[in-house]
Amino acid sequence: AQKVTQAQTEISVVEKEDVTLDCVYETRDTTYYLFWYKQPPSGELVFLIRRNSFDEQNEISGRYSWNFQKSTSSFNFTITASQVVDSAVYFCALSEQSGNNRKLIWGLGTSLAVNP
Amino acid sequence: AAGVIQSPRHLIKEKRETATLKCYPIPRHDTVYWYQQGPGQDPQFLISFYEKMQSDKGSIPDRFSAQQFSDYHSELNMSSLELGDSALYFCASSRRTSGSREDEQFFGPGTRLTVL
Repeated sequence: AQKVTQAQTEISVVEKEDVTLDCVYETRDTTYYLFWYKQPPSGELVFLIRRNSFDEQNEISGRYSWNFQKSTSSFNFTITASQVVDSAVYFCALSEQSGNNRKLIWGLGTSLAVNP
Repeated sequence: AAGVIQSPRHLIKEKRETATLKCYPIPRHDTVYWYQQGPGQDPQFLISFYEKMQSDKGSIPDRFSAQQFSDYHSELNMSSLELGDSALYFCASSRRTSGSREDEQFFGPGTRLTVL
């Protein structure tokens, strides 16, 4: 069963629109971490945020904000006043214990296209 | 700040050939992870190493092997290459400490392998 679900496969918006990328996760761990990564067309994975399961405080970083709702197992990502440079695939990931390490379980990604 | 280094960045091989991908983690990082990302797919965990020992194994084919050396760099060896092995291969590193940064995996730029 998919443990990280990003229901939106593709989103297309016009520049300056706000856009929210959804992420729903499933885990039995009591302590876990959630991440968002950005993958621009060039291919590298850019770390955006990590959230500890005990910290439900929402976070804002410039035009980016994250809404962590433990009650609904969601960790949504909002881009305010989107720009063309925001066009990328965005991955939500869950870190779960596996052996002696924690490994990342990824969602399938949401491809965001911001059009001028 | 030093980042994860992967070499080569691009590699073209023919079917049935072998390939070796190299990963140099961030200094003082003790854990290395390998991921495979096929076209339009999310990254799939292959294998991880902690202190030069294999710590977890994911969906790594038997044709692939990996190891972590005394200087903590890691190599992913791929034999009898198939067309389906064409993908972006990411290496990530982290440092296992008692602090809160244990789960932050820093990704390299990836190696794009094309099998013809």
